[in-house]
Amino acid sequence: AQSVSQHNHHVILSEAASLELGCNYSYGGTVNLFWYVQYPGQHLQLLLKYFSGDPLVKGIKGFEAEFIKSKFSFNLRKPSVQWSDTAEYFCAVGNSGNTPLVFGKGTRLSVIA
Amino acid sequence: GAGVSQSPSNKVTEKGKDVELRCDPISGHTALYWYRQSLGQGLEFLIYFQGNSAPDKSGLPSDRFSAERTGGSVSTLTIQRTQQEDSAVYLCASSQRTGTGQPQHFGDGTRLSIL
Repeated sequence: AQSVSQHNHHVILSEAASLELGCNYSYGGTVNLFWYVQYPGQHLQLLLKYFSGDPLVKGIKGFEAEFIKSKFSFNLRKPSVQWSDTAEYFCAVGNSGNTPLVFGKGTRLSVIA
Repeated sequence: GAGVSQSPSNKVTEKGKDVELRCDPISGHTALYWYRQSLGQGLEFLIYFQGNSAPDKSGLPSDRFSAERTGGSVSTLTIQRTQQEDSAVYLCASSQRTGTGQPQHFGDGTRLSIL
């Protein structure tokens, strides 16, 4: 069965600091990878996705993620965080078969001024 | 509407009662998913529907949980004889189709509290 690990439960950063949130998955086949974000009081929103092609994908709000197949990883990055990036971030994996996404447990990001 | 709509937004009920949670997916989306989000546990898949195919119920935690999708659109998740461990946020998502990594669009969820 697929599983997704997000190693950081809670990350606290100052504004302008760089961000990297780890995501590792277990599945040997073709995967589709997603990062979702949940701002306080809001629903889950898609941040970025990887299906194929360039393993470095750009998302909204300056986020990017890199798919490293050999490491089964899809880490999320942002060069300079803002207070408005305070949210919970979820990594998710789907395969090319007819199965729903498998989500990680989420990483809570708190950005302080 | 423009997004996935869920109702009620909050539900408080006594242990042992039955509850029904409703989801209106985005118009034209053929796939509909139910997830449960518990504190510190991420999202747990419950059930999904794709078109007229038989639903995948593999994530339902017990036979107290069931779901229907009428007319390929609105879905209802029913929990019978609720227990305190059922307290969670129940999220519904829809997508244009499954199997090709189509992104799922989420509703605001129903926060269920069992007293």
